[in-house]
Amino acid sequence: DSGVTQTPKHLITATGQRVTLRCSPRSGDLSVYWYQQSLDQGLQFLIQYYNGEERAKGNILERFSAQQFPDLHSELNLSSLELGDSALYFCASTRLAGGGNEQFFGPGTRLTVL
Amino acid sequence: AQSVAQPEDQVNVAEGNPLTVKCTYSVSGNPYLFWYVQYPNRGLQFLLKYITGDNLVKGSYGFEAEFNKSQTSFHLKKPSALVSDSALYFCAVRVTGTASKLTFGTGTRLQVTL
Repeated sequence: DSGVTQTPKHLITATGQRVTLRCSPRSGDLSVYWYQQSLDQGLQFLIQYYNGEERAKGNILERFSAQQFPDLHSELNLSSLELGDSALYFCASTRLAGGGNEQFFGPGTRLTVL
Repeated sequence: AQSVAQPEDQVNVAEGNPLTVKCTYSVSGNPYLFWYVQYPNRGLQFLLKYITGDNLVKGSYGFEAEFNKSQTSFHLKKPSALVSDSALYFCAVRVTGTASKLTFGTGTRLQVTL
């Protein structure tokens, strides 16, 4: 158990809908990262927050947004969902931002868009 | 731009035999290198990392990796494979001194048989 929690574990929704994925980092970790894992795209970095502020952006669509709250939990919002958004979404956390810190991954949220 | 290549989609090895999972990288600058393992329906687990210093890095579960700067490689090795090592292995790289984007390879499935 990495200490990173994600809810829900599974999410099934329809095209055009909006969903929110939640992540709680390990105790004491200030940085949260979001990743998308799909069969055709592999593991893609979406976005990073550090102590409430956006730190780095990857291949995140404009339909997707995220935030990190004062208690350091983070939410990833996916809107106008398309079939291609079906994937595993992971969050990870580190104590600090960047450097040689290894990331600790949550168990993921499996999103299915029908 | 930074990138990671894992040239083998799958590696098959018999239990008790040594295993190698290959990884090469491309960065502008000095790299931080990581190996992660993913078991079915689980998040990624950190195995080991290279930051600086000794080129041979030892990690969890008897795994080790050798950093080779001239060949830009960071191959994962284990002297004696176990059936329980069967999983998906990811190599990742981050450039030192920059924002925290971690770039993952496409993953190599390791299959260890009796």
